[in-house]
Amino acid sequence: IAGITQAPTSQILAAGRRMTLRCTQDMRHNAMYWYRQDLGLGLRLIHYSNTAGTTGKGEVPDGYSVSRANTDDFPLTLASAVPSQTSVYFCASSDSPGQVTEAFFGQGTRLTVV
Amino acid sequence: GQNIDQPTEMTATEGAIVQINCTYQTSGFNGLFWYQQHAGEAPTFLSYNVLDGLEEKGRFSSFLSRSKGYSYLLLKELQMKDSASYLCAVMDSNYQLIWGAGTKLIIKP
Repeated sequence: IAGITQAPTSQILAAGRRMTLRCTQDMRHNAMYWYRQDLGLGLRLIHYSNTAGTTGKGEVPDGYSVSRANTDDFPLTLASAVPSQTSVYFCASSDSPGQVTEAFFGQGTRLTVV
Repeated sequence: GQNIDQPTEMTATEGAIVQINCTYQTSGFNGLFWYQQHAGEAPTFLSYNVLDGLEEKGRFSSFLSRSKGYSYLLLKELQMKDSASYLCAVMDSNYQLIWGAGTKLIIKP
């Protein structure tokens, strides 16, 4: 089934540890996004990539990094996790950046930093 | 600044009609999206409006007034499975989505 796969689905992480959230899509979409979703707040964009080899900062990029080595994969890394990074993380993709197209979401990763 | 406002929570009865409002102030406008998100799941696309007026898709309709910075999602013949959060998002001048916090809709029998 085509779509976006995120791993892991949930994780408890000790503060100070490094963690990479994985995201893979098989729809050959050019644009990919990482959002965090917190109770009472809307989805907030962390980082995005309009095409393989390029990345950009979103609304809340501090403490996170991304890479886009190829079209399909867009991992998100927390270099040194802090409790405020406890959240649900969604990876998303869309066909064409700079155009109006719907975004497709992965099932999310629930991360708890203790 | 950019801002999307929606009610936090609404309650409706099975079989009834409910209207979820969304007001926005953004840097530019390239359309407004509505997404549905069931608890613990990913958001899924419902509708898109870029011109003023009503777009109908089965039991769901979405309305847009660009001059008022206002949209609503209308759900008819409510079913228990419609219990979910409904997210309003505006695509700004940079083609980035700005999201509202979502409206949790509770359907009672």
